[in-house]
Amino acid sequence: AQSVAQPEDQVNVAEGNPLTVKCTYSVSGNPYLFWYVQYPNRGLQFLLKYITGDNLVKGSYGFEAEFNKSQTSFHLKKPSALVSDSALYFCAVRGLFQKLVFGTGTRLLVSP
Amino acid sequence: DTAVSQTPKYLVTQMGNDKSIKCEQNLGHDTMYWYKQDSKKFLKIMFSYNNKELIINETVPNRFSPKSPDKAHLNLHINSLELGDSAVYFCASSQERTVGELFFGEGSRLTVL
Repeated sequence: AQSVAQPEDQVNVAEGNPLTVKCTYSVSGNPYLFWYVQYPNRGLQFLLKYITGDNLVKGSYGFEAEFNKSQTSFHLKKPSALVSDSALYFCAVRGLFQKLVFGTGTRLLVSP
Repeated sequence: DTAVSQTPKYLVTQMGNDKSIKCEQNLGHDTMYWYKQDSKKFLKIMFSYNNKELIINETVPNRFSPKSPDKAHLNLHINSLELGDSAVYFCASSQERTVGELFFGEGSRLTVL
């Protein structure tokens, strides 16, 4: 069965600094990987996904993620954090014809 | 033009009551889902319908019954509500055959007293 691990409950970063939110996964077959963001009292919003192709995926709001097959990781990154990036971030994985499984979420706190 | 809309946004009710949450998507997607998010923000899939056919039915009490009258609608009915049902319920949709990303509604916060 597929699974996702987000090892950090919270990531703290100062505005303007680069940020990384970690995600590792387990799935049989080729993985389909996603990142979502959730702001308070809102639904999840799609940020980016990896299906196939280039390992570096660019998404919304300046976020990007790198697919690393050997390390089974899909870390979310941004070169320069904004206070408005503060939110809850979810990594998710599925295989073909499998259900999407979400990680436990990582709270990102960007301080001014 | 809300892509995935669910109603009501808030629901406060007594134990033992029956309630429904409705969901509609106008994206032309073939698959719809219900997720439950608990107080620790964990997201758990409950049900999934593809072209009105139930394809995912997780370990959920029989008191929860989904209904999909057509591809654009997926409702959730809950019988005999219990305290532990208090959560935020999210509807989502996707285009399954292209492994598309999920589009989520804004959530329905259910509080059982």
